[in-house]
Amino acid sequence: SQKIEQNSEALNIQEGKTATLTCNYTNYSPAYLQWYRQDPGRGPVFLLLIRENEKEKRKERLKVTFDTTLKQSLFHITASQPADSATYLCAPARFGNEKLTFGTGTRLTIIP
Amino acid sequence: NAGVTQTPKFQVLKTGQSMTLQCAQDMNHEYMSWYRQDPGMGLRLIHYSVGAGITDQGEVPNGYNVSRSTTEDFPLRLLSAAPSQTSVYFCASRTGGDGYTFGSGTRLTVV
Repeated sequence: SQKIEQNSEALNIQEGKTATLTCNYTNYSPAYLQWYRQDPGRGPVFLLLIRENEKEKRKERLKVTFDTTLKQSLFHITASQPADSATYLCAPARFGNEKLTFGTGTRLTIIP
Repeated sequence: NAGVTQTPKFQVLKTGQSMTLQCAQDMNHEYMSWYRQDPGMGLRLIHYSVGAGITDQGEVPNGYNVSRSTTEDFPLRLLSAAPSQTSVYFCASRTGGDGYTFGSGTRLTVV
């Protein structure tokens, strides 16, 4: 069955550094992958979607890569700020399949 | 444009009671889903819909029913509440090519 793994439950990064979060998947060939941010007590918020033919996508300080050979997506936050502290979730998916499965998330803390 | 609206925000039920969690979206999104989130388990899909009149089961559908009579509404019914259904429930919607917009959640406790 499909399995999604996100690196370490918690990640602490010094303010100003680049935070890199990993999403690995097995037994699945997604056509695209989504990243979400979730703050405590709130619903997830959609950040970025990257398709299998895009390799890399950027939005302000966020960068996502998608390597279908390694079955991995990397999520980077450059010039990290304490306000970036949250749990980040990945969700690989296929077009026409709405049974979206999320990873358990990585709790990121940016230390001032 | 309110997005995805979930009601109630909090609910306490006794074992065996039934109730309906409401979800409404005003973005004309065709896809809607219900998730539950438990500590250490992440988000798990309960039921989803690809359009009015069309629903299907997700990963953990037992004990829940859904219907989608309109594009806007996607209620989740708990048939006979059990303590194992204590959780935070999220409704979400999206249109093709975009990610999901989530509601603020319903925190349900079954005693």
